[in-house]
Amino acid sequence: DAGVTQSPTHLIKTRGQQVTLRCSPISGHKSVSWYQQVLGQGPQFIFQYYEKEERGRGNFPDRFSARQFPNYSSELNVNALLLGDSALYLCASSAIGSSLAKNIQYFGAGTRLSVL
Amino acid sequence: AQKITQTQPGMFVQEKEAVTLDCTYDTSDPSYGLFWYKQPSSGEMIFLIYQGSYDQQNATEGRYSLNFQKARKSANLVISASQLGDSAMYFCAMREGPTGNQFYFGTGTSLTVIP
Repeated sequence: DAGVTQSPTHLIKTRGQQVTLRCSPISGHKSVSWYQQVLGQGPQFIFQYYEKEERGRGNFPDRFSARQFPNYSSELNVNALLLGDSALYLCASSAIGSSLAKNIQYFGAGTRLSVL
Repeated sequence: AQKITQTQPGMFVQEKEAVTLDCTYDTSDPSYGLFWYKQPSSGEMIFLIYQGSYDQQNATEGRYSLNFQKARKSANLVISASQLGDSAMYFCAMREGPTGNQFYFGTGTSLTVIP
């Protein structure tokens, strides 16, 4: 079975540009979360989407937005890029259910964004 | 206050030996989940083990076990019989509530296995 897939794997942009990152969850998973991981730190939560609705938002500016499609894939958009947006962007999917054990988040390999 | 604290930036272990990676957490929610992930240099976060706050027994998954001490709010990862392929970053994470919408991660511990 395919895991979480993210594209592209690497991206180089310049300040002020816009970027779109894509994520396909594990088959059957309806929840997608996005995280930003700056070098040397743990991942920081950006968004969670479940059934195409935003269920949570971390402490990120409005330049960050996301959406989830009917097939549960998701896109993360970042506008007006800053140097500080350079990071590994991770997508995670989970099968949210009544059992605690079903909310394990499975991660993709990430998109490494460099802003010059 | 930090939700997850990992105080060991780097650890070394001899091949075939056991190693313990420390993790403490902070929450007032009685229902929470604790997770450990491995992140090789490739970047992918690999799920290792899960412990629920109401679980009576410590979780085990193959060579991984979780030493869960609820009163001390600690959830240490024990890796037995270390292998060279275990060299990676290890992150402790917590979810608050039964279906909390975000995971809180620690700063990670870099583990190096020495042949």
